[in-house]
Amino acid sequence: DAGITQSPRHKVTETGTPVTLRCHQTENHRYMYWYRQDPGHGLRLIHYSYGVKDTDKGEVSDGYSVSRSKTEDFLLTLESATSSQTSVYFCASSGTGDSPLHFGNGTRLTVT
Amino acid sequence: RKEVEQDPGPFNVPEGATVAFNCTYSNSASQSFFWYRQDCRKEPKLLMSVYSSGNEDGRFTAQLNRASQYISLLIRDSKLSDSATYLCVVNPRGDMRFGAGTRLTVKP
Repeated sequence: DAGITQSPRHKVTETGTPVTLRCHQTENHRYMYWYRQDPGHGLRLIHYSYGVKDTDKGEVSDGYSVSRSKTEDFLLTLESATSSQTSVYFCASSGTGDSPLHFGNGTRLTVT
Repeated sequence: RKEVEQDPGPFNVPEGATVAFNCTYSNSASQSFFWYRQDCRKEPKLLMSVYSSGNEDGRFTAQLNRASQYISLLIRDSKLSDSATYLCVVNPRGDMRFGAGTRLTVKP
């Protein structure tokens, strides 16, 4: 499996505070993705990256920003957290745009 | 219309049963397709890729029907350990899109 780690694993934060989630991969994969998973919705794509400094929006990008300054790191930022952003966040990576995704263990975020 | 749609189930089957899941997708330009398995509170893990000619891996068979824009997963001789949520994944533009998942419970 690809070496992909997410940090933190759990976080509780208050409404209105900024939050950054980190994804780190050691496989030199070009593509990286951020998803959120909520009951009844499955995994929904927030943002993805197809190279350093190359990112694009997914289907639920409002309220989120990302940055990819190095191949191995993909950061997801909630500029001002809201309760609707309480979710489990998964990062994934793949070598090409067509190859299978390898996932991190997830980050459980609670916004109170 | 969602990009990828799956029957949410749940499917409750006895051990040894054959069960099939379908998944439809809206973008006809989609080029790659996968089935993932997700256990409760865990990350999704690749079960198998889906190839145009269909492919099999042990008890699992995946099919792709481009004309009707659906993929399927067949599980034969179900085991208790097959209990999980099965997710189909479609790649329309380099951004991988997931179905909502189908929950399978295999009972003794």
